[in-house]
Amino acid sequence: NAGVTQTPKFRVLKTGQSMTLLCAQDMNHEYMYWYRQDPGMGLRLIHYSVGEGTTAKGEVPDGYNVSRLKKQNFLLGLESAAPSQTSVYFCASSYSLGSQPQHFGDGTRLSIL
Amino acid sequence: DAKTTQPNSMESNEEEPVHLPCNHSTISGTDYIHWYRQLPSQGPEYVIHGLTSNVNNRMASLAIAEDRKSSTLILHRATLRDAAVYYCILSQVVYGGSHGNLIFGKGTKLSVKP
Repeated sequence: NAGVTQTPKFRVLKTGQSMTLLCAQDMNHEYMYWYRQDPGMGLRLIHYSVGEGTTAKGEVPDGYNVSRLKKQNFLLGLESAAPSQTSVYFCASSYSLGSQPQHFGDGTRLSIL
Repeated sequence: DAKTTQPNSMESNEEEPVHLPCNHSTISGTDYIHWYRQLPSQGPEYVIHGLTSNVNNRMASLAIAEDRKSSTLILHRATLRDAAVYYCILSQVVYGGSHGNLIFGKGTKLSVKP
């Protein structure tokens, strides 16, 4: 059982480039989330989805877009990368809201030069 | 969103119990108390969660104060593999399309000495 899988694990971009981070879960969870974690800080929610075809903004959504075309996949896009987006990105999924735990992937370490 | 307060760091000796405290004085009636831990270079790992009653699982125990304004994560016998940052988080169950997201603080860095 793979759980939550994130690809790629590492990436270096130049300012202005675009890329997409992929998150896949095999637990049939309705809810999926994208977080970022900066050095020495806790995680901050970027965007989330409460089901296939739905997305919503979290705490720090600017500069990111997301899509949930299939229930098992949640994509995070950077259209024009900026150095301030250098961070570790974590995807998570959960069965329900609040009362059930979130399951996290191992993260994507992204550096923007 | 409700906030939690945890000590920045704690130390423990291997094979001894560890009590990690968390204050959440502004907790609301629908907030679940979640604990996660994060090892270096890994994603957060779920440890335990509860609403009102004390909870036990194979990893830890969660003791919740009667007024729910504080809680304690108990590791019964610390091992070197328990060295991590532990996050105490309140997660709301809010219906009507909201997300019940987890608000992470900086957590408690637990060191375990052999």
